[in-house]
Amino acid sequence: DTEVTQTPKHLVMGMTNKKSLKCEQHMGHRAMYWYKQKAKKPPELMFVYSYEKLSINESVPSRFSPECPNSSLLNLHLHALQPEDSALYLCASSQHPFTATSGTEDTQYFGPGTRLTVL
Amino acid sequence: DQQVKQNSPSLSVQEGRISILNCDYTNSMFDYFLWYKKYPAEGPTFLISISSIKDKNEDGRFTVFLNKSAKHLSLHIVPSQPGDSAVYFCAASYLLIRGSTLGRLYFGRGTQLTVWP
Repeated sequence: DTEVTQTPKHLVMGMTNKKSLKCEQHMGHRAMYWYKQKAKKPPELMFVYSYEKLSINESVPSRFSPECPNSSLLNLHLHALQPEDSALYLCASSQHPFTATSGTEDTQYFGPGTRLTVL
Repeated sequence: DQQVKQNSPSLSVQEGRISILNCDYTNSMFDYFLWYKKYPAEGPTFLISISSIKDKNEDGRFTVFLNKSAKHLSLHIVPSQPGDSAVYFCAASYLLIRGSTLGRLYFGRGTQLTVWP
């Protein structure tokens, strides 16, 4: 089973709203990721969590706030977003290179995404 | 700076024929390569991968070839089926066992494959 789930599937919010995106995996993976994808573009890495600790922040604006409450869950808290933040937000997980069989073959599995529209 | 390039934005193939999707990279330190398939409004689905110690990996109808000297990889789909119609992303990584490279997948811009009956 390589399933990553994300809720909600769609989200429409105003620029003053606060909302959260949720991601869950039960594969025992210890690395989790948030990506942003615009139409006809590849996914762009936003954050990486390794063993529930933030290990990479790709200079993402503070209106995006990630949280990893436990090894299975990853949240992305949204506040005061701009219309240009409208995109598909993808969560991914991977076993973790420290625990992967060979140390380099650490495959990321993606969830279905949350389609976010900021009005 | 695009370190992974998919120079063909689209490919159209007849059902039953071979689809060949190409990918080039510039960073010789990459040691793991993946192909993802993506339908509209869905997340990318992992298809197949190859590490730099191999030059070929097969999984059913999908075969990935790696030419390290040319910094080129390709995905072959045989036979192509209409359900294969999707955007295919090539991704590369130089994941090390430890260090700040954790999690960094470098994606190409994707190739839209259309398989027609």
